[in-house]
Formats: sequence, structure tokens, C-alpha cells
Amino acid sequence: DVKVTQSSRYLVKRTGEKVFLECVQDMDHENMFWYRQDPGLGLRLIYFSYDVKMKEKGDIPEGYSVSREKKERFSLILESASTNQTSMYLCASSLPQRNTIYFGEGSWLTVV
Amino acid sequence: AQKVTQAQTEISVVEKEDVTLDCVYETRDTTYYLFWYKQPPSGELVFLIRRNSFDEQNEISGRYSWNFQKSTSSFNFTITASQVVDSAVYFCALIVASSGSARQLTFGSGTQLTVLP
Repeated sequence: DVKVTQSSRYLVKRTGEKVFLECVQDMDHENMFWYRQDPGLGLRLIYFSYDVKMKEKGDIPEGYSVSREKKERFSLILESASTNQTSMYLCASSLPQRNTIYFGEGSWLTVV
Repeated sequence: AQKVTQAQTEISVVEKEDVTLDCVYETRDTTYYLFWYKQPPSGELVFLIRRNSFDEQNEISGRYSWNFQKSTSSFNFTITASQVVDSAVYFCALIVASSGSARQLTFGSGTQLTVLP
């Protein structure tokens, strides 16, 4: 089974803090994704990566950056957290030749 | 641009009833893939099914069945004899082949299904 693991399920951070959300997948997938999920807005793509050190902006990249130094790990970084970044963050991965994306359990971030 | 519409925001049924979740999609691509995911209260998105645009055959998996109709751009999901454990948010999603190697999902807004005992 594909396993996508998000290191933190629940975080509470202060406004202005730098926040790291870590994601690891164990199936050698080239593609990795970060989404955020908000009530009434569904899932929106923040960033994705199709290879190590490669990244592309999704639909809502503002206020976020990402890092992919190793194939299995994809980090989402909030340089200066703000209250409007309080949300549920979902990491996902897939193989380019396969068209199924597998998701982690999600990280609930609260910025106070 | 692609779009997925799940018009039903919330559905509530009593256990053992059948329930159908609607999904309508829009795309100009001729090659695309449709998905259903289940999100229980724990938060994880669980993959249920993938269907490609060239395969309109309906599929049944246990109590789950899916009806794909290109003529109406719909990919509906039916749960037969619903159970309390089916309570979750269900998302319909779409990938188009033209979106490159890192194909991204376009999600519907989800349908909250509550199955009452």
C-alpha cells in the first residue's frame, strides 16, 4: 500500500512564526503535492513538485514556499504565518505514468 | 479550464437506504480521468475509484457502484444499503491528460453524507 505520512497532525503557531509541514512518501513517487482544504472552498493546490528540486506553483502559492531536497520528502513552508493560513493541509503523491494521487492524513494548522 | 460540480452539499439518510452522490464535470480535453475520494472525520482522503474517459462501463465494488455517462458529463456514485461507517465527505475529482506529467486534481466541493442509525 502507498503510504503518505505527514509528520504533524495538529499544530498551533503564533502569527509571524515560520512553520514547516513535512511530508514523506514511501513509494518512490516522482510527483508530490500540497493542498489546503477550507470549508466551502474545497481543496486548493498550493504547490507541486515533479522531481527533486523541481517545483511549480499551484492555484494559491502566495505566502507559501516548498522544498524538495529528496525524492521522498516534500516540505511546505510558511515563512511568516498569518491567521488566514489557519487550515487543513493535505500532502499527496503520485507516479507520472499513473493517474491516481494518494493523500496523507492531513495536518490541522491553527495560527493565533 | 476544468470544473467539477457536486451540487449536493449535504445528504442525510437512514441506515440501509440507498444514496446517490452526483458529480458533473466540465473539460474540453478528450482524455481525462475521474475519481471519487472519501474523507472520514479523521481527515485522510481515501481513494475509491478511477475511471478514464474512454471507459464508460459502470463499475460495482461491493455496496459501491459508479455510473459514468459522457453524454451528460456525469460520474455519479451510489452506495447501496448505506451504513453508519459510510458517513464522510465524498469528493469527485478530475485530471486531464494535457496537464502534463505532474497531473493535478481538480476537486468538486464535496458532499457531506450522514448515515443515521
